[in-house]
Amino acid sequence: GENVEQHPSTLSVQEGDSAVIKCTYSDSASNYFPWYKQELGKGPQLIIDIRSNVGEKKDQRIAVTLNKTAKHFSLHITETQPEDSAVYFCAASQGTGANNLFFGTGTRLTVIP
Amino acid sequence: NAGVTQTPKFQVLKTGQSMTLQCAQDMNHNSMYWYRQDPGMGLRLIYYSASEGTTDKGEVPNGYNVSRLNKREFSLRLESAAPSQTSVYFCASSVQRGSTDTQYFGPGTRLTVL
Repeated sequence: GENVEQHPSTLSVQEGDSAVIKCTYSDSASNYFPWYKQELGKGPQLIIDIRSNVGEKKDQRIAVTLNKTAKHFSLHITETQPEDSAVYFCAASQGTGANNLFFGTGTRLTVIP
Repeated sequence: NAGVTQTPKFQVLKTGQSMTLQCAQDMNHNSMYWYRQDPGMGLRLIYYSASEGTTDKGEVPNGYNVSRLNKREFSLRLESAAPSQTSVYFCASSVQRGSTDTQYFGPGTRLTVL
């Protein structure tokens, strides 16, 4: 099956700086790559996703980039704010069904005011 | 809309005890899922239900059973709990938007098996 690796496991940044979280995947057939944000005591929430026919996608301060050749994708958060502090998970799947999602191990992001 | 709700929030069991984790969604979604989340690991799929009346195994189904009671409710049962089942359990439901299933997660149940 798919194997998703995520780095770093923890990340601290000053407020206003950028944060980058990287994931690699093993199965070249994977074609859907969502990112989730999990706040303390809550379930994960989808924040952005990208399909394999697109190299980059942006939504305000967050962006995701995908390199299919290298089989890695990254989450970029610019102008970080304290409310960005959370655990972020990447995932990869083949097809459209959520039953095929394989998750990374998570990155705990702390934004220091 | 309450979204996806789970009960209980916390539970402590002794080895060998049984219990059922409850999940309900009010978004009229067809698909529902049960995941477990362990420290240092990503979420792993236990079971899912693509529609009312159907259930399928995920990545880690051993030791669990599920019931899709109706479109709203999807329960997870541990018949004989083991310490290895200590984990945080998340229920989710999904809707297809365009070509992709978008998942919505509940707040989780933290289970400790002694």
